[in-house]
Amino acid sequence: QVQLQESGPGLVKPSETLSLVCSVSGGSLSTFYWNWVRQPPGKGLEWIGSVFHSDTTNYNPSLKSRLAISADTSKTQIYLKLRSVTAADTAVYFCSRGFTARSLDLWGQGTLLTVSS
Amino acid sequence: SYVLTQPPSVSVAPGQTARITCGGNNIGIKSVHWYQQEPGQAPVLVVYDDTHRPSGIPERFSGSNSGNTATLTISRVEAGDEADYYCQVWDDHVVFGGGTKVTVL
Repeated sequence: QVQLQESGPGLVKPSETLSLVCSVSGGSLSTFYWNWVRQPPGKGLEWIGSVFHSDTTNYNPSLKSRLAISADTSKTQIYLKLRSVTAADTAVYFCSRGFTARSLDLWGQGTLLTVSS
Repeated sequence: SYVLTQPPSVSVAPGQTARITCGGNNIGIKSVHWYQQEPGQAPVLVVYDDTHRPSGIPERFSGSNSGNTATLTISRVEAGDEADYYCQVWDDHVVFGGGTKVTVL
């Protein structure tokens, strides 16, 4: 059974770089798109971006200039780096697996990232 | 960019039918997916590709899609169906609707 688990620092200072890891257990990264989605407190879901085969990425245009998503197939981990963070980046960050027609069939439990000095 | 419009809230009595709409320009030609999110939990895929249910999702959840509106229908609503529901499509990027809070009266 494939499971996803996000991990991160919990707190980042404004203007710094946010780094998160999604660890996938019970399966490989191959043949799937892997996505990051975030949800600010009390708000809706926002897609951040995806990675496929470690080297093909697709980013939300509103975040693209600050964003890098990558994957290590040997470690079955997906990475998110978001530069120059502000309070608006405070959110629960989820990783998820892309399924049929780019639906998202598996999700991690999410990790809360707070941007504050 | 492509926009999906959902009503902020829907209220329904137990045992009745809840219908949650998702509006988008010519959405009928796209594949629409629906997620249920309970408070403090990750979203769960309940319908994909307009009408298909993942394994383990009750038959009470069904979807349709035509013209400019897709609809998630929850039949015989139970108290446990109270949650936020999001529609989603692919338009060169993943696009989510704003979400609908379903309240069971």
